[in-house]
Amino acid sequence: GAGVSQSPRYKVAKRGQDVALRCDPISGHVSLFWYQQALGQGPEFLTYFQNEAQLDKSGLPSDRFFAERPEGSVSTLKIQRTQQEDSAVYLCASSSRVLGGNQPQHFGDGTRLSIL
Amino acid sequence: AQKVTQAQTEISVVEKEDVTLDCVYETRDTTYYLFWYKQPPSGELVFLIRRNSFDEQNEISGRYSWNFQKSTSSFNFTITASQVVDSAVYFCALSGGTGTASKLTFGTGTRLQVTL
Repeated sequence: GAGVSQSPRYKVAKRGQDVALRCDPISGHVSLFWYQQALGQGPEFLTYFQNEAQLDKSGLPSDRFFAERPEGSVSTLKIQRTQQEDSAVYLCASSSRVLGGNQPQHFGDGTRLSIL
Repeated sequence: AQKVTQAQTEISVVEKEDVTLDCVYETRDTTYYLFWYKQPPSGELVFLIRRNSFDEQNEISGRYSWNFQKSTSSFNFTITASQVVDSAVYFCALSGGTGTASKLTFGTGTRLQVTL
């Protein structure tokens, strides 16, 4: 597709369950970002990939959060043993690699995760 | 550390009024980039503009204009003759200038409500 695609759009899980969120970036975009957006707040950075390499994971809140992008395209954000505070919208963004400056990040619609 | 402050939580205007959304930022980087994104009720973040720290020229795009002032660390956004379709949450964001991609630091957003 033309834009960043995320699935599922909504996810409800019981506390303690594992969840996996998928992101399909814009074709050809080498940079991929994950953000977490709590209700009424701005997005907060979780992790960044350049191709298949995870270059920055400083925003992951705990070791229950894990992200991968094994072939440098689709990425999966996994949350193990979910807790209620994990409830948020998870946004994925991609950008093209152009020397000379930070290119705009293009965002998907997000996955709204609710932990019961 | 980088920080973005959007002091206005919510603004309500009547259609055709002009409205300015404020953004103040903090960074120690000498090279950095500033962005504005729009988040309509559907949830997707829509890129509006990118500005680098070396270009202080104001920019106009249709009804939108941006005023970047390094001296006051501000990057304000004005919508002229607002329309109901402008109703959304608007985020100002900042990224560092090193490398070809960098994480975004967002403000908490300003919710704009335009009524007839």
